[in-house]
Amino acid sequence: GNSVTQMEGPVTLSEEAFLTINCTYTATGYPSLFWYVQYPGEGLQLLLKATKADDKGSNKGFEATYRKETTSFHLEKGSVQVSDSAVYFCALSTSGRYSSASKIIFGSGTRLSIRP
Amino acid sequence: NAGVTQTPKFQVLKTGQSMTLQCAQDMNHNSMYWYRQDPGMGLRLIYYSASEGTTDKGEVPNGYNVSRLNKREFSLRLESAAPSQTSVYFCASSESYRGRLYEQFFGPGTRLTVL
Repeated sequence: GNSVTQMEGPVTLSEEAFLTINCTYTATGYPSLFWYVQYPGEGLQLLLKATKADDKGSNKGFEATYRKETTSFHLEKGSVQVSDSAVYFCALSTSGRYSSASKIIFGSGTRLSIRP
Repeated sequence: NAGVTQTPKFQVLKTGQSMTLQCAQDMNHNSMYWYRQDPGMGLRLIYYSASEGTTDKGEVPNGYNVSRLNKREFSLRLESAAPSQTSVYFCASSESYRGRLYEQFFGPGTRLTVL
């Protein structure tokens, strides 16, 4: 079946450090891939997405590239800020042939804390 | 444009009590979803509604019922709450079209505790 595996947290970094959060997936067909972010006490927000192989999603200095050959979608940022402290979820979306709903499968989340 | 709204924000129930979580979206989306979030387990899909008038089970539907009241509203009901249903519940909505994959927009969540 379809699944998402992401690195366990928590991850603690100093401000301006380089960030990588690993994500790999298992899926049939051609899923879309997402990174969502959840700030304390809030719901999930879409951070970036990629809909086909070799696409690069980017937003707010974060990037992730859809790698079909390694089934990966790792999240990176060159210089993190304290305001990036949150929980990050990798996810994939599949659409059933006879269903028009986009079902998303989430990883377990990685908590990121940035020290000033 | 409020996006996805949920009520209540917090709720405490005793075992065996019932309650309904409300969700509404103003983005004219066809599809709506209910998830639960438990520590270390990410989000798990409880039920979803591909379009008005249809509902389907997700990964963890036992102990829950849903109603797609109209295109805007999708409610989740716990008929007889159990401590195992203590969780944070998120409603989401998305545009949808067969074969096309769209992002989901999330509400702020309802934190439910069952004693």
